Amino acid sequence: AQSVTQLGSHVSVSEGALVLLRCNYSSSVPPYLFWYVQYPNQGLQLLLKYTSAATLVKGINGFEAEFKKSETSFHLTKPSAHMSDAAEYFCAVGPNAGNMLTFGGGTRLMVKP
Amino acid sequence: DAGVTQSPTHLIKTRGQQVTLRCSPKSGHDTVSWYQQALGQGPQFIFQYYEEEERQRGNFPDRFSGHQFPNYSSELNVNALLLGDSALYLCASSLGLMAGETQYFGPGTRLLVL
Repeated sequence: AQSVTQLGSHVSVSEGALVLLRCNYSSSVPPYLFWYVQYPNQGLQLLLKYTSAATLVKGINGFEAEFKKSETSFHLTKPSAHMSDAAEYFCAVGPNAGNMLTFGGGTRLMVKP
Repeated sequence: DAGVTQSPTHLIKTRGQQVTLRCSPKSGHDTVSWYQQALGQGPQFIFQYYEEEERQRGNFPDRFSGHQFPNYSSELNVNALLLGDSALYLCASSLGLMAGETQYFGPGTRLLVL
């Protein structure tokens, strides 16, 4: 069975600082990995996804994530946080058959002025 | 290009009642998945419909059932509501069942069970 662990339910950074949101996955086969963002009272929006084409994946809004098989990690980063980045971020893993997603518990990102 | 739409946006029910939530997929998509997101948690997969059949199901009781129509829209039905069914219900659509295919989410229906 696949699972996802997001370390840190809350992360606070200052505007302009580096954003690092951690995600570790458990999968018996090479997975598909996703990062979604959820703004208050909204659904989920895809930030980026890993499908084995490249280990460094660039997404929208300046976010990127690096797949590290040896560490079973897929951490999300952004060089400089904006106030508009404040939201809930979810890491998810997909199987190699079918496309149902298993989500982590989420990390709430707060950006201080 | 219309995205995923869901109705209603909010719903209040009492224990024991039944509820039906509706979803229209993104234009061109033929697969609909439903997720339950309890407060402060990540979404949990309920089930997935393709070609009007349930293709995959998560760890949810039979009180949760669904349907997909020929136009690919879908309904989620929950019978004998419990307080613990209070959550945001998210619908996601995709093209087919291929692994790695992106799922696009709607805004959700927030259900409160009193």
